[in-house]
Amino acid sequence: GQQVMQIPQYQHVQEGEDFTTYCNSSTTLSNIQWYKQRPGGHPVFLIQLVKSGEVKKQKRLTFQFGEAKKNSSLHITATQTTDVGTYFCAPGSGNTGKLIFGQGTTLQVKP
Amino acid sequence: NAGVTQTPKFQVLKTGQSMTLQCAQDMNHNSMYWYRQDPGMGLRLIYYSASEGTTDKGEVPNGYNVSRLNKREFSLRLESAAPSQTSVYFCAILGRANEKLFFGSGTQLSVL
Repeated sequence: GQQVMQIPQYQHVQEGEDFTTYCNSSTTLSNIQWYKQRPGGHPVFLIQLVKSGEVKKQKRLTFQFGEAKKNSSLHITATQTTDVGTYFCAPGSGNTGKLIFGQGTTLQVKP
Repeated sequence: NAGVTQTPKFQVLKTGQSMTLQCAQDMNHNSMYWYRQDPGMGLRLIYYSASEGTTDKGEVPNGYNVSRLNKREFSLRLESAAPSQTSVYFCAILGRANEKLFFGSGTQLSVL
């Protein structure tokens, strides 16, 4: 599995502000997935990005995959208290099946 | 987390005790995973199994053993528990269509 660095580790925002988390790799990734974990819950799959420069949207969430396929980002527009949780990226495992996660970004939203 | 069942949900052990965490799936998928989650450390892969009868080490395998006796079940065993193994343990299965992971609800383990 390939290693990724996720930043920032923590982010506190006021409700209504935007939020972005970044996932960076030193090597080219085949694809990347994003997961969300609510406090006390288990990780839940959000999306997978495969193509260079790909951008996908889910309501207020925008996911991007870099042109070089070495980085990815998740941007939340106008955060809400329901966005609270930890967001993880996970690079594709290729043929190994070994799925490694980034360290995660924990988002706190102040109402 | 429909389709992935983890037992028990909570467990307290004394140092040196052994126990087995159970994971069962009803989705008929090949690949299964065990992760541990500690504050500030994210999810770390312990072991995984690409198919029935095969297992491979992940990032942090020391102190653990696994068993994949059939397609449905993947168990994680702590032979001699240590306080450093206090953590939340998640089992996950890999979906066929787009390789997304489905997680169980987790086991909160405390080793005193």
